[in-house]
Amino acid sequence: QIQLVQSGPEVKKPGESVKISCKASGYSFTDYAIHWVKQAPGKGLKWMGWINTYNGKPTYADDFKGRFVFSLEASASTANLQISNLKNEDTATYFCAREAYYGYNYVMDAWGQGASVTVSS
Amino acid sequence: NTVMTQSPTSMFISVGDRVAMNCKASQKVGTNVDWYQQKIGQSPKLLIYGASNRYIGVPDRFTGSGSGTDFTLTISNLQAEDLAVYYCLQYNSNPRTFGGGTKLELK
Repeated sequence: QIQLVQSGPEVKKPGESVKISCKASGYSFTDYAIHWVKQAPGKGLKWMGWINTYNGKPTYADDFKGRFVFSLEASASTANLQISNLKNEDTATYFCAREAYYGYNYVMDAWGQGASVTVSS
Repeated sequence: NTVMTQSPTSMFISVGDRVAMNCKASQKVGTNVDWYQQKIGQSPKLLIYGASNRYIGVPDRFTGSGSGTDFTLTISNLQAEDLAVYYCLQYNSNPRTFGGGTKLELK
């Protein structure tokens, strides 16, 4: 079955970096884009951007340009999110989601379980 | 950017109720809206795509409607397992944007 399995919780200090992984299984990895979504504690969902898993091209929402990098390890069917120079406001759960073209529409039809990042001095 | 405004932010409901929640786009998005359900401690799940199409396995008590700027998710005969936060998402243009969510709570 289709699965996205994310890496475990991280606790970091301000200024450090973190890398979150999202390993896909059950489908052809390069046929479906991967999106990233942030959820701060007690808050709603915020779209961060997506990465084309065929050619590796990332697209970032404005609030996530600069310190955030989407990357791939296609041979391992894995998408990564790296955040550098961590700030307290980066404390959140980060979800990866597969995008499918379904019934002439784009849908995020499979989601990872979320990866928690806590930034605290 | 297209702002998606959901209302109400929360609803107190009883099992068996019929509830309707709204999502208003700041500009026309056609029918390029999905609805997601997120239960506590879980990742979001796709309910409705293309404004009105029920995703595989979603019970028929969930109905989506609307086009342009105004969208509605209706849940009939609400069940206890439907307690969750519901988000709309527009994918008509980048950046994609979620609404702020509507939380269903028991009376």
